[in-house]
Amino acid sequence: AQTVTQSQPEMSVQEAETVTLSCTYDTSENNYYLFWYKQPPSRQMILVIRQEAYKQQNATENRFSVNFQKAAKSFSLKISDSQLGDTAMYFCAFFEETVFTRLTFGEGTQLTVNP
Amino acid sequence: DTAVSQTPKYLVTQMGNDKSIKCEQNLGHDTMYWYKQDSKKFLKIMFSYNNKELIINETVPNRFSPKSPDKAHLNLHINSLELGDSAVYFCASTDDNPGNTIYFGEGSWLTVV
Repeated sequence: AQTVTQSQPEMSVQEAETVTLSCTYDTSENNYYLFWYKQPPSRQMILVIRQEAYKQQNATENRFSVNFQKAAKSFSLKISDSQLGDTAMYFCAFFEETVFTRLTFGEGTQLTVNP
Repeated sequence: DTAVSQTPKYLVTQMGNDKSIKCEQNLGHDTMYWYKQDSKKFLKIMFSYNNKELIINETVPNRFSPKSPDKAHLNLHINSLELGDSAVYFCASTDDNPGNTIYFGEGSWLTVV
């Protein structure tokens, strides 16, 4: 079974600084997709960024970018110019491209942005 | 318009009761899911339906019974509620293109007392 590991249960960063959240995964699949979701205190699940495994170029969405290392099975999220509104739980997720499609989540990293 | 909507958003009920959570998506998606988020915020898949057919059942107790009357709806019925069922339940949906975004509802907070 695929597993997703986020080794940092909690992180904090000062406003306007940059922070990187780690994620590793384990799979024998060659085609898959990786996601970062953000969950603020409201509990709404919000997609932050998406990466296709067959694309070597790292995905970027405004202040959010990823460092995707396929051989190392690593998928970290970098948040630049952190804002107070970035305070949330961040989940790394793995989507396997098989018949039984599902999104498998890591344990989450609670990020706090301090003023 | 909310893409994936769940009702109720909050539910407090006593042990032993039976309750249902409803989910509807207006995105035209073929696949819908139920996820459970426990007190430690870990998200785990419970069920997945594709075009009204059950395709994933993740060793969930028989007290949980999903029903999909059509591909836009996926309801979750829970019998004989237990304290350990207290959690946030998320409905989600996606289309059949692999790896496309999975959209989540706002969650249903269930508290069993």
